[in-house]
Amino acid sequence: GESVGLHLPTLSVQEGDNSIINCAYSNSASDYFIWYKQESGKGPQFIIDIRSNMDKRQGQRVTVLLNKTVKHLSLQIAATQPGDSAVYFCADTTSGTYKYIFGTGTRLKVLA
Amino acid sequence: DTAVSQTPKYLVTQMGNDKSIKCEQNLGHDTMYWYKQDSKKFLKIMFSYNNKELIINETVPNRFSPKSPDKAHLNLHINSLELGDSAVYFCASSQGGEKLFFGSGTQLSVL
Repeated sequence: GESVGLHLPTLSVQEGDNSIINCAYSNSASDYFIWYKQESGKGPQFIIDIRSNMDKRQGQRVTVLLNKTVKHLSLQIAATQPGDSAVYFCADTTSGTYKYIFGTGTRLKVLA
Repeated sequence: DTAVSQTPKYLVTQMGNDKSIKCEQNLGHDTMYWYKQDSKKFLKIMFSYNNKELIINETVPNRFSPKSPDKAHLNLHINSLELGDSAVYFCASSQGGEKLFFGSGTQLSVL
């Protein structure tokens, strides 16, 4: 992820709609990518990961898309629920380096 | 059982003091980390230990000293605390550099 900008971007969605959170990364050598969810007062929690040999991976209500050409990652959340309200981070790493670069984060607000 | 636990949850102290944060993981992982999260929610790696050996040491002031007595524990000692040290500090662990599991954080406030 990139540490661009000084403020936390916010995405507001209606309950039941789909959410798409985007992330850009800068390291062409990155080959492993993770999305984390951080609720207020808690540590980041693993949601889904993807390796560079894939361009799409699906979990329960979540899908991660990877576009290595433009170094872009997205997280899609289907049928967004109030419990999805949190800050979402992407993180990328090159295998074996043990060093993750976290994106700026996006705050997701679910409107009732 | 909490997988990665860190103490204390909150730490309020005066400038110039020395303080420690402790972390323990019961996941059997071989690697542990300290991350710092600033007021803008930006997460940055500080240190990482693999099998008790320091493998990542970012540009952190030498007032910060990590110590890993064994694979399951990683502590962070901070000397001469400064206002700018106020942040949330997260401990994390992983197996072989794979996905990170985070603790619930220590909110440090330096007055």
